[in-house]
Amino acid sequence: DIQMTQSPSSLSASVGDRVTITCQASQDISNYLNWYQQKPGKAPKLLIYDASNLETGVPSRFSGSGSGTDFTFTISSLQPEDIATYYCQQYDNLPMYTFGQGTKLEIK
Amino acid sequence: QVQLQESGPGLVKPSQTLSLTCTVSGGSISSGGYYWSWIRQHPGKGLEWIGYIYYSGSTYYNPSLKSRVTISVDTSKNQFSLKLSSVTAADTAVYYCANGAQGYFDLWGRGTLVTVSS
Repeated sequence: DIQMTQSPSSLSASVGDRVTITCQASQDISNYLNWYQQKPGKAPKLLIYDASNLETGVPSRFSGSGSGTDFTFTISSLQPEDIATYYCQQYDNLPMYTFGQGTKLEIK
Repeated sequence: QVQLQESGPGLVKPSQTLSLTCTVSGGSISSGGYYWSWIRQHPGKGLEWIGYIYYSGSTYYNPSLKSRVTISVDTSKNQFSLKLSSVTAADTAVYYCANGAQGYFDLWGRGTLVTVSS
């Protein structure tokens, strides 16, 4: 099984800060990596697909990069509404899908 | 705009079968190219993919749950369903139905909390 390790597990940052979350796969998954945002009490929302593609309607301050085993999710300028938990998800070994354990982002 | 809505009992007794339905509105569940999934989230924890059904009826389940899971589709009602047998307290979670092309989930229901307790 492919394991996804996100870091950090929690993060506190100030409005306007650049925020970076990493996701490491236990084996090469090419670019088969997505990022989701989950606000409290809500369903997850797809932000980035195929490692670096911004989902339609998602603000451009969100971005993703990486391939192989190491991936990065970035918020260029943190906004108050970005407070959420962020998850990576791989789909290299379809039809199995695996999520990372999540990164909880808080405002400092 | 396509929307998903989960429904079913919020409380299930241990050893019984958890049954949930996802109703698809604003679109047809028979549309090709989409995978209709169930995903769960234990309280305060991360996301676990349970399985999917393709519009053709083919299914695939998470190996960790495969022996207890059945996902089916009712195209006449535009619904797909989840059955999870022999539940224990460890199956207490928020259950989401979700949809997307192969690889990702770009449409989610609001989720429904199912508690397993006597």
